[in-house]
Amino acid sequence: GMPVEQNPPALSLYEGADSGLRCNFSTTMKSVQWFQQNHRGRLITLFYLAQGTKENGRLKSTFNSKERYSTLHIKDAQLEDSGTYFCAAEGNSGTYQRFGTGTKLQVVP
Amino acid sequence: NSKVIQTPRYLVKGQGQKAKMRCIPEKGHPVVFWYQQNKNNEFKFLINFQNQEVLQQIDMTEKRFSAECPSNSPCSLEIQSSEAGDSALYLCASSPTYSGNTLYFGEGSRLIVV
Repeated sequence: GMPVEQNPPALSLYEGADSGLRCNFSTTMKSVQWFQQNHRGRLITLFYLAQGTKENGRLKSTFNSKERYSTLHIKDAQLEDSGTYFCAAEGNSGTYQRFGTGTKLQVVP
Repeated sequence: NSKVIQTPRYLVKGQGQKAKMRCIPEKGHPVVFWYQQNKNNEFKFLINFQNQEVLQQIDMTEKRFSAECPSNSPCSLEIQSSEAGDSALYLCASSPTYSGNTLYFGEGSRLIVV
């Protein structure tokens, strides 16, 4: 199967709602990075994790290498959070990062 | 955020034509990655460099692409003979180290092959 599976593929949230995105890995990964891709195509780094949990404002991400998953939680969703979110994970052998297929998030008023 | 600069933003090529894209990595980042993102949001790793040396590349890149990262010049990725299936967003990223570090991406070059 795919080394990085991302869910859900699409998500619609009302402003103010909370939700989560998840990436499952078929093998043990060394690190994970979460991105938001804006309308111009640029991938904006949200988090880089080698382990544990990080928070930044309304966003929180967790990476559990042993259990082979990572999550991204969005709290109090705002209209500007709309976009496509990707996780990308680096394998233990130090190869290039492999991407999930993205979650298209739409925040509606 | 990222200071990786990619040019051009868009290019339109006929089948069989060459298509060249350039990338200026962030200052002080010796590692450069190229990815292809297709219309289904699938990312394909193409090649990476550390300074001027190729570290890894996939078979397609070796056969059909020409890529380099000369010192004191932008990195470049060139498709030697464009095919319809090459239409995609080509993303360049740089990093301070080869492994265990954040990737910083440019805005990409969108190639349309007609």
